[in-house]
Amino acid sequence: RKEVEQDPGPFNVPEGATVAFNCTYSNSASQSFFWYRQDCRKEPKLLMSVYSSGNEDGRFTAQLNRASQYISLLIRDSKLSDSATYLCVALRGNTGFQKLVFGTGTRLLVSP
Amino acid sequence: GAGVSQSPSNKVTEKGKDVELRCDPISGHTALYWYRQSLGQGLEFLIYFQGNSAPDKSGLPSDRFSAERTGGSVSTLTIQRTQQEDSAVYLCASRRAGDMVNEQFFGPGTRLTVL
Repeated sequence: RKEVEQDPGPFNVPEGATVAFNCTYSNSASQSFFWYRQDCRKEPKLLMSVYSSGNEDGRFTAQLNRASQYISLLIRDSKLSDSATYLCVALRGNTGFQKLVFGTGTRLLVSP
Repeated sequence: GAGVSQSPSNKVTEKGKDVELRCDPISGHTALYWYRQSLGQGLEFLIYFQGNSAPDKSGLPSDRFSAERTGGSVSTLTIQRTQQEDSAVYLCASRRAGDMVNEQFFGPGTRLTVL
């Protein structure tokens, strides 16, 4: 079983739709979580961090449920430019020696 | 400012040859990571350098893979006696010490094709 698991998709949605991605992690020692975005044939870039209290950045909302070891990303009012692969990421390790564990990503296709 | 750079951007080699991939991290970033991404797959961790500490090599898939980081800056990933299954995009990332967000900044990658 992978340490971070995601539905690979693709999720095909029309512009303006709301779409949600889920992710589960198996290592309860994971300390922090992130969503990265990766465009086709490009490098991953940080989209947002995920906090237990939930956090929102414009049209994007991320949630963490530590009890269920579950992370979500909600995108409202989807734009064509949101088409990409969204990588769920867990941070583990102690201070000074930490590494990120990436899920395989969920592909989103937003159509006109 | 300048981001993470990698060279070459593309490398085609024959099975059995050795290759060297280079990564220039963002200046001042003490942590440097190498990942591999095969077609349609997630990022596979290879190796992690943190300052002057011994690197975390736990992700290297075989002893044909090695990496160095000289002077706490530039890193080279070497693959000896390449095999076709080594074909992938090799991504380097760096991170600033003490960054509360723990954001990793990725380079554009080196696309390796082993014929």
